[in-house]
Amino acid sequence: SQELEQSPQSLIVQEGKNLTINCTSSKTLYGLYWYKQKYGEGLIFLMMLQKGGEEKSHEKITAKLDEKKQQSSLHITASQPSHAGIYLCGADNQAGTALIFGKGTTLSVSS
Amino acid sequence: DADVTQTPRNRITKTGKRIMLECSQTKGHDRMYWYRQDPGLGLQLIYYSFDVKDINKGEISDGYSVSRQAQAKFSLSLESAIPNQTALYFCATSDSWGIQYFGAGTRLSVL
Repeated sequence: SQELEQSPQSLIVQEGKNLTINCTSSKTLYGLYWYKQKYGEGLIFLMMLQKGGEEKSHEKITAKLDEKKQQSSLHITASQPSHAGIYLCGADNQAGTALIFGKGTTLSVSS
Repeated sequence: DADVTQTPRNRITKTGKRIMLECSQTKGHDRMYWYRQDPGLGLQLIYYSFDVKDINKGEISDGYSVSRQAQAKFSLSLESAIPNQTALYFCATSDSWGIQYFGAGTRLSVL
């Protein structure tokens, strides 16, 4: 079965610093989704990537998909306290019936 | 109002009790899902439904049942709750792009 591995598991950055979170799949990626979750709350959709080499940005968050490496990265520029939370990557399962998720990366931003 | 509403938000119950978690959505999507989230394990798919007459088991369906009462309503039942069903439960819907939209979650504790 397909698995998504996220790294790092957690990180603490100083406000204003840049950071990158990675998501690596054990199998070919057909669709990759990034979500943000505040502790104990629901998941908020951030971005969807479908094609190798695709890159999308929203405000200070940029996501890229490297299909050959079966990997996606999420980059945050000039982090702010509002960026703190748990970031999860999700991918279409092989049957195309649901999403599988990584275990998440917990981001803390110190001011 | 939220697009995906889960009730209750928090529930404490005793071992052996039957409990129902409810989910309703106003997005008009046919596809709905139930997941559970445990610390360190990410999200696991319990059941999914592609329309009112289509119900499918996910990876961890044992001990759970579901009912799709209408396009907008999808409920999850624990027939006889046990302590290891203590978790955060999420309902989600998905659009034609595969983007899933999540409710705020139900925190369930089984004593």
